[in-house]
Amino acid sequence: ENVLTQSPAIMSASPGEKVTMTCRASSSVSSSYLHWYQQKSGASPKLWIYRTSNLASGVPARFSGSGSGTSYSLTISSVEAEDAATYYCQQYSGYPFTFGSGTQLEIK
Amino acid sequence: EVQLQQSGPELVKPGASVKISCKTSGYTFTEYTIHWVKQSHGKSLEWIGGIIPYNGGTTYNQKFKGKATLTVDKSSSTAYMVLRSLTSEDSAVYYCATLTGYYALDYWGQGTSVTVSS
Repeated sequence: ENVLTQSPAIMSASPGEKVTMTCRASSSVSSSYLHWYQQKSGASPKLWIYRTSNLASGVPARFSGSGSGTSYSLTISSVEAEDAATYYCQQYSGYPFTFGSGTQLEIK
Repeated sequence: EVQLQQSGPELVKPGASVKISCKTSGYTFTEYTIHWVKQSHGKSLEWIGGIIPYNGGTTYNQKFKGKATLTVDKSSSTAYMVLRSLTSEDSAVYYCATLTGYYALDYWGQGTSVTVSS
């Protein structure tokens, strides 16, 4: 099983700040099969970034994703209040596909 | 518009079974595999397994083999998951979701809360 470790577990940012969260895999993942989800409290996860760097429909351009191999990241260029949520990475390198433990983003 | 509508919250006794439904609409049911994900309170997401509506073929996370059984009813475009021999460890929110060609889960149901308590 390919274990995904996300860091930090919790982060706090002020509006307008740039933030980056990371996702590290225990084994290499194809960039085509590394995705990110946003989940707000009490809601279902939403596909946010797919195939490492492609924004899902409706996702603001301030979000971006990058990475390869065992190291991936999600960056928000200028955080806004509506970005408060938990972000999960997910990979497929054969079944089972796995999720990271999440990064909770709080807005000051 | 693709929609996945799940059945309502369940309160079940330890040792019992529960069947959760996921009714789909807005697309051809046999076009996408449907997967199920568990989220224990305040915790991360765990993949349970997936089913191919076209032929009923299934893939399970080894951790959930014997715990979960996935089926579909093509006539009603509905997927089902049965969880058996429930314990407090099975108390969680369960989601169904469709899988894209690049193994991302793009459309999600609203989740079904299962509480196991005597």
